[in-house]
Amino acid sequence: NAGVTQTPKFRVLKTGQSMTLLCAQDMNHEYMYWYRQDPGMGLRLIHYSVGEGTTAKGEVPDGYNVSRLKKQNFLLGLESAAPSQTSVYFCASNHRIDEQYFGPGTRLTVT
Amino acid sequence: GESVGLHLPTLSVQEGDNSIINCAYSNSASDYFIWYKQESGKGPQFIIDIRSNMDKRQGQRVTVLLNKTVKHLSLQIAATQPGDSAVYFCAENPTTDSWGKLQFGAGTQVVVTP
Repeated sequence: NAGVTQTPKFRVLKTGQSMTLLCAQDMNHEYMYWYRQDPGMGLRLIHYSVGEGTTAKGEVPDGYNVSRLKKQNFLLGLESAAPSQTSVYFCASNHRIDEQYFGPGTRLTVT
Repeated sequence: GESVGLHLPTLSVQEGDNSIINCAYSNSASDYFIWYKQESGKGPQFIIDIRSNMDKRQGQRVTVLLNKTVKHLSLQIAATQPGDSAVYFCAENPTTDSWGKLQFGAGTQVVVTP
Protein backbone atom coordinates (compact mmCIF):
# COMPACT_ATOMS: atom_id res chain seq x y z
CA ASN A 1 0.00 0.00 0.00
CA ALA A 2 1.22 3.48 -0.83
CA GLY A 3 -0.76 5.00 2.06
CA VAL A 4 -1.38 8.71 1.54
CA THR A 5 0.27 10.35 -1.45
CA GLN A 6 0.35 14.01 -2.45
CA THR A 7 1.15 15.73 -5.73
CA PRO A 8 3.03 17.88 -6.42
CA LYS A 9 5.80 17.85 -3.80
CA PHE A 10 6.89 21.43 -4.51
CA ARG A 11 5.32 24.36 -6.33
CA VAL A 12 6.05 28.04 -6.82
CA LEU A 13 3.16 30.31 -7.79
CA LYS A 14 2.86 33.98 -8.55
CA THR A 15 0.26 36.03 -6.73
CA GLY A 16 -3.12 35.56 -8.38
CA GLN A 17 -2.36 32.24 -10.03
CA SER A 18 -4.44 29.16 -9.31
CA MET A 19 -3.54 25.56 -8.64
CA THR A 20 -4.89 22.27 -7.36
CA LEU A 21 -3.20 19.93 -4.90
CA LEU A 22 -4.11 16.28 -5.17
CA CYS A 23 -4.29 13.83 -2.28
CA ALA A 24 -4.86 10.13 -2.80
CA GLN A 25 -5.21 7.31 -0.26
CA ASP A 26 -5.49 3.59 -0.82
CA MET A 27 -6.66 2.56 2.66
CA ASN A 28 -10.38 2.92 1.98
CA HIS A 29 -10.64 5.64 4.62
CA GLU A 30 -13.88 7.56 4.96
CA TYR A 31 -12.39 10.75 6.40
CA MET A 32 -9.87 12.98 4.66
CA TYR A 33 -8.31 16.28 5.73
CA TRP A 34 -6.21 19.15 4.43
CA TYR A 35 -3.90 20.99 6.83
CA ARG A 36 -1.38 23.75 6.50
CA GLN A 37 1.76 24.03 8.58
CA ASP A 38 3.65 27.27 9.00
CA PRO A 39 7.14 27.60 10.52
CA GLY A 40 7.18 26.93 14.24
CA MET A 41 3.48 26.18 14.34
CA GLY A 42 1.32 23.16 14.58
CA LEU A 43 -1.04 21.92 11.91
CA ARG A 44 -4.16 23.93 11.17
CA LEU A 45 -7.17 22.31 9.54
CA ILE A 46 -8.29 23.92 6.27
CA HIS A 47 -11.11 21.66 5.09
CA TYR A 48 -12.14 18.09 5.68
CA SER A 49 -14.46 15.44 4.28
CA VAL A 50 -16.38 12.69 6.04
CA GLY A 51 -17.20 10.82 2.85
CA GLU A 52 -17.40 10.87 -0.90
CA GLY A 53 -19.27 13.94 -2.13
CA THR A 54 -19.11 15.77 1.23
CA THR A 55 -16.83 18.56 2.41
CA ALA A 56 -16.75 20.89 5.40
CA LYS A 57 -14.78 23.90 6.60
CA GLY A 58 -12.04 23.63 9.15
CA GLU A 59 -10.24 26.27 11.15
CA VAL A 60 -8.71 28.29 8.26
CA PRO A 61 -10.83 27.73 5.11
CA ASP A 62 -10.68 31.18 3.51
CA GLY A 63 -9.00 31.27 0.10
CA TYR A 64 -9.29 27.49 -0.42
CA ASN A 65 -11.82 25.17 -1.97
CA VAL A 66 -12.01 21.38 -1.92
CA SER A 67 -13.72 18.53 -3.67
CA ARG A 68 -14.15 14.82 -2.91
CA LEU A 69 -15.63 13.30 -6.05
CA LYS A 70 -14.08 9.91 -5.36
CA LYS A 71 -13.57 8.29 -1.98
CA GLN A 72 -9.85 7.87 -2.50
CA ASN A 73 -9.12 11.43 -3.65
CA PHE A 74 -9.34 14.81 -1.95
CA LEU A 75 -8.44 17.93 -3.94
CA LEU A 76 -7.43 21.30 -2.51
CA GLY A 77 -7.76 24.32 -4.78
CA LEU A 78 -6.35 27.81 -4.56
CA GLU A 79 -8.28 30.08 -6.93
CA SER A 80 -6.14 33.19 -6.54
CA ALA A 81 -2.95 32.52 -4.61
CA ALA A 82 -1.66 35.05 -2.07
CA PRO A 83 1.75 35.25 -0.34
CA SER A 84 -0.02 34.42 2.95
CA GLN A 85 -0.73 30.98 1.51
CA THR A 86 2.96 30.14 1.39
CA SER A 87 3.10 27.06 3.58
CA VAL A 88 3.54 23.31 3.69
CA TYR A 89 0.27 21.49 3.02
CA PHE A 90 -0.47 18.08 4.44
CA CYS A 91 -3.25 15.72 3.58
CA ALA A 92 -4.40 13.07 6.04
CA SER A 93 -7.00 10.32 6.18
CA ASN A 94 -8.52 7.93 8.67
CA HIS A 95 -11.48 5.82 9.61
CA ARG A 96 -13.67 7.64 12.09
CA ILE A 97 -12.19 6.11 15.22
CA ASP A 98 -8.53 5.92 14.31
CA GLU A 99 -5.35 7.92 14.18
CA GLN A 100 -4.81 10.08 11.10
CA TYR A 101 -2.32 8.96 8.46
CA PHE A 102 -0.44 11.81 6.83
CA GLY A 103 1.01 12.31 3.39
CA PRO A 104 4.55 13.63 2.80
CA GLY A 105 3.44 17.22 2.24
CA THR A 106 3.47 19.80 -0.55
CA ARG A 107 5.72 22.84 -0.14
CA LEU A 108 4.05 25.85 -1.76
CA THR A 109 5.67 29.24 -2.23
CA VAL A 110 3.63 32.20 -3.48
CA THR A 111 5.70 35.16 -4.66
CA GLY B 1 -3.07 24.15 23.82
CA GLU B 2 0.50 25.16 23.60
CA SER B 3 1.45 28.72 22.85
CA VAL B 4 2.10 29.45 19.23
CA GLY B 5 5.28 31.12 18.04
CA LEU B 6 8.05 31.02 15.50
CA HIS B 7 10.52 29.28 17.80
CA LEU B 8 9.65 25.84 19.02
CA PRO B 9 10.51 24.80 22.55
CA THR B 10 13.57 22.58 22.35
CA LEU B 11 14.45 19.59 24.49
CA SER B 12 18.07 18.55 24.32
CA VAL B 13 18.64 14.96 25.46
CA GLN B 14 21.73 12.84 25.69
CA GLU B 15 21.61 9.55 23.84
CA GLY B 16 20.51 6.79 26.20
CA ASP B 17 18.70 9.09 28.60
CA ASN B 18 14.93 9.22 28.99
CA SER B 19 12.99 12.09 27.42
CA ILE B 20 9.83 13.70 28.73
CA ILE B 21 7.82 15.95 26.44
CA ASN B 22 4.96 17.92 27.90
CA CYS B 23 1.76 19.27 26.45
CA ALA B 24 -1.00 21.36 27.99
CA TYR B 25 -4.31 20.90 26.24
CA SER B 26 -7.11 23.40 26.17
CA ASN B 27 -10.47 21.64 26.18
CA SER B 28 -11.65 19.75 29.26
CA ALA B 29 -14.19 17.93 27.04
CA SER B 30 -11.47 16.39 24.86
CA ASP B 31 -11.75 12.62 24.90
CA TYR B 32 -8.93 11.42 22.71
CA PHE B 33 -5.29 12.44 22.50
CA ILE B 34 -2.50 11.55 20.12
CA TRP B 35 1.23 12.06 19.95
CA TYR B 36 2.84 12.49 16.54
CA LYS B 37 6.48 12.60 15.51
CA GLN B 38 7.57 14.71 12.56
CA GLU B 39 11.02 14.36 11.08
CA SER B 40 12.43 17.13 8.93
CA GLY B 41 10.77 17.27 5.51
CA LYS B 42 8.24 14.55 6.29
CA GLY B 43 4.63 14.27 7.35
CA PRO B 44 3.67 13.54 10.96
CA GLN B 45 3.80 9.91 12.05
CA PHE B 46 1.56 8.40 14.72
CA ILE B 47 3.36 7.37 17.91
CA ILE B 48 0.74 6.56 20.50
CA ASP B 49 -2.76 7.56 21.54
CA ILE B 50 -4.81 7.56 24.72
CA ARG B 51 -8.48 7.96 25.51
CA SER B 52 -9.80 10.08 28.34
CA ASN B 53 -10.90 7.05 30.39
CA MET B 54 -7.23 6.09 30.83
CA ASP B 55 -4.36 7.86 32.59
CA LYS B 56 -1.46 5.86 31.21
CA ARG B 57 -0.68 3.87 28.11
CA GLN B 58 2.55 2.17 27.08
CA GLY B 59 3.99 1.36 23.71
CA GLN B 60 7.37 0.29 22.53
CA ARG B 61 9.82 2.59 24.38
CA VAL B 62 7.09 5.20 24.77
CA THR B 63 4.60 5.97 27.51
CA VAL B 64 1.84 8.56 27.45
CA LEU B 65 0.46 9.97 30.69
CA LEU B 66 -2.79 11.89 30.91
CA ASN B 67 -3.71 14.13 33.83
CA LYS B 68 -7.23 15.40 33.22
CA THR B 69 -7.30 17.40 36.45
CA VAL B 70 -4.70 19.84 35.16
CA LYS B 71 -5.27 19.15 31.43
CA HIS B 72 -1.76 17.87 30.91
CA LEU B 73 -0.37 15.23 28.60
CA SER B 74 3.17 13.90 28.53
CA LEU B 75 5.18 11.60 26.32
CA GLN B 76 8.06 9.66 27.80
CA ILE B 77 10.66 8.11 25.53
CA ALA B 78 12.92 5.54 27.13
CA ALA B 79 16.59 5.23 26.17
CA THR B 80 16.45 8.04 23.61
CA GLN B 81 18.20 7.30 20.34
CA PRO B 82 19.51 9.59 17.55
CA GLY B 83 16.55 8.52 15.41
CA ASP B 84 14.24 10.08 17.98
CA SER B 85 15.40 13.57 16.96
CA ALA B 86 12.28 15.23 15.54
CA VAL B 87 9.43 17.59 16.36
CA TYR B 88 6.79 16.02 18.57
CA PHE B 89 3.18 17.21 18.49
CA CYS B 90 0.35 16.46 20.80
CA ALA B 91 -3.19 16.62 19.42
CA GLU B 92 -6.58 16.53 21.08
CA ASN B 93 -10.01 15.62 19.80
CA PRO B 94 -12.25 18.31 21.34
CA THR B 95 -15.57 16.42 21.50
CA THR B 96 -17.16 13.22 20.29
CA ASP B 97 -19.25 15.28 17.84
CA SER B 98 -16.15 16.40 15.98
CA TRP B 99 -14.26 13.14 15.89
CA GLY B 100 -11.16 13.41 13.74
CA LYS B 101 -11.01 17.21 13.82
CA LEU B 102 -7.83 17.20 15.82
CA GLN B 103 -6.34 20.32 17.36
CA PHE B 104 -2.55 20.29 17.32
CA GLY B 105 -0.12 21.95 19.65
CA ALA B 106 2.83 23.91 18.26
CA GLY B 107 5.27 21.09 18.90
CA THR B 108 8.51 20.45 20.78
CA GLN B 109 11.83 20.00 19.01
CA VAL B 110 13.80 17.08 20.47
CA VAL B 111 17.53 17.06 19.79
CA VAL B 112 19.45 13.94 20.75
CA THR B 113 23.12 14.51 21.44
CA PRO B 114 25.77 11.76 21.45
